[in-house]
Amino acid sequence: DQQVKQNSPSLSVQEGRISILNCDYTNSMFDYFLWYKKYPAEGPTFLISISSIKDKNEDGRFTVFLNKSAKHLSLHIVPSQPGDSAVYFCAASEETSGSRLTFGEGTQLTVNP
Amino acid sequence: DTGVSQDPRHKITKRGQNVTFRCDPISEHNRLYWYRQTLGQGPEFLTYFQNEAQLEKSRLLSDRFSAERPKGSFSTLEIQRTEQGDSAMYLCASSLVGLSSSYEQYFGPGTRLTVT
Repeated sequence: DQQVKQNSPSLSVQEGRISILNCDYTNSMFDYFLWYKKYPAEGPTFLISISSIKDKNEDGRFTVFLNKSAKHLSLHIVPSQPGDSAVYFCAASEETSGSRLTFGEGTQLTVNP
Repeated sequence: DTGVSQDPRHKITKRGQNVTFRCDPISEHNRLYWYRQTLGQGPEFLTYFQNEAQLEKSRLLSDRFSAERPKGSFSTLEIQRTEQGDSAMYLCASSLVGLSSSYEQYFGPGTRLTVT
């Protein structure tokens, strides 16, 4: 039972353009959502998060949008840079579960110069 | 703050051997998590500690797996009688959870286990 899904295994964009990564979830008990970036041979690096009481959170070039009715969230990166090329994981947690994270499968983002 | 560290970074072992991994969390963090990641998948939760208490174990954590966090500081994950299916990246994460804290978890670099 895949409770968090990232349906696009890969995404390629041009430098300077917007990257949009998508994530869907099925568990309505999830109340906190996070995005992580992962380079090869490294652990995931925290990027940005959003609580279920909000629908948008922004941090520099990164913005996360949450649509609770659709059980969908997205990460926007503007402008995209070649250094953003990595695997991006969406993750979700519920406070009552000890905040363990449930991850999606990841999306490989490639930003071309 | 030196971040989460894990040791060793790589481990190659023969099937049937026991292995032990260590994780040192960020010093003020009270929660410590173990995850396992296989190729093409996201990390999967194994277990977590609040201070020294192990509060939850995933059904992925078979009887061959045991984790400890003595004194609520570093943690160890032991796998007994390793099988080829145990080959994966084992990730440790820590977080500070309290009245005013958020739920971000900070990951270490992982231990890559290969069982031959």
